[in-house]
Amino acid sequence: LAKTTQPISMDSYEGQEVNITCSHNNIATNDYITWYQQFPSQGPRFIIQGYKTKVTNEVASLFIPADRKSSTLSLPRVSLSDTAVYYCLVGEKAGTASKLTFGTGTRLQVTL
Amino acid sequence: NAGVTQTPKFQVLKTGQSMTLQCAQDMNHNSMYWYRQDPGMGLRLIYYSASEGTTDKGEVPNGYNVSRLNKREFSLRLESAAPSQTSVYFCASSPNPTGGSSYEQYFGPGTRLTVT
Repeated sequence: LAKTTQPISMDSYEGQEVNITCSHNNIATNDYITWYQQFPSQGPRFIIQGYKTKVTNEVASLFIPADRKSSTLSLPRVSLSDTAVYYCLVGEKAGTASKLTFGTGTRLQVTL
Repeated sequence: NAGVTQTPKFQVLKTGQSMTLQCAQDMNHNSMYWYRQDPGMGLRLIYYSASEGTTDKGEVPNGYNVSRLNKREFSLRLESAAPSQTSVYFCASSPNPTGGSSYEQYFGPGTRLTVT
């Protein structure tokens, strides 16, 4: 059963780059690493997913070292609206379904 | 392109009442899911559907039924509501197979259900 560990909270000022690291020592060979963002009273929002090396989209970058035992979500130049909880997920199954298991996540607070 | 929509947004039921939560997606996804999220806790999978006409139980299916009416719609029914079912219910869809290695899912805004 793959599990993840990430910091409980982080603080940042607006305009800074934020890096959130997640460790997943028991990741399965075929599993992707996926990050979600959740605002209060809203559904989780898919941010980015990767298997190895680096993935970048219009929102974030995801860095994955060769051993895949950790990953780092990088948010460039955060704004107040990036204040949210960020979840890192790796493989989890409920029967035959790819199930999302959210841990406590990292609560990012962005201030002026 | 609305993504995933859910109705209603809020609902209050009395113990023993029944209701159906509606979910629809316009992204042409085969895979759909129902989760519940309790305060301070993560998501728990109730039911999922790999394609139109198929449904399977997740972690916490007791007290719920589902219908995959067509490719777009996946409804969740509470036959006899109980206070333990007070929660926020999220529907999600995915472009990937339900049993795959990818966890890219797209969520609706949720239904906040209170059972008294």
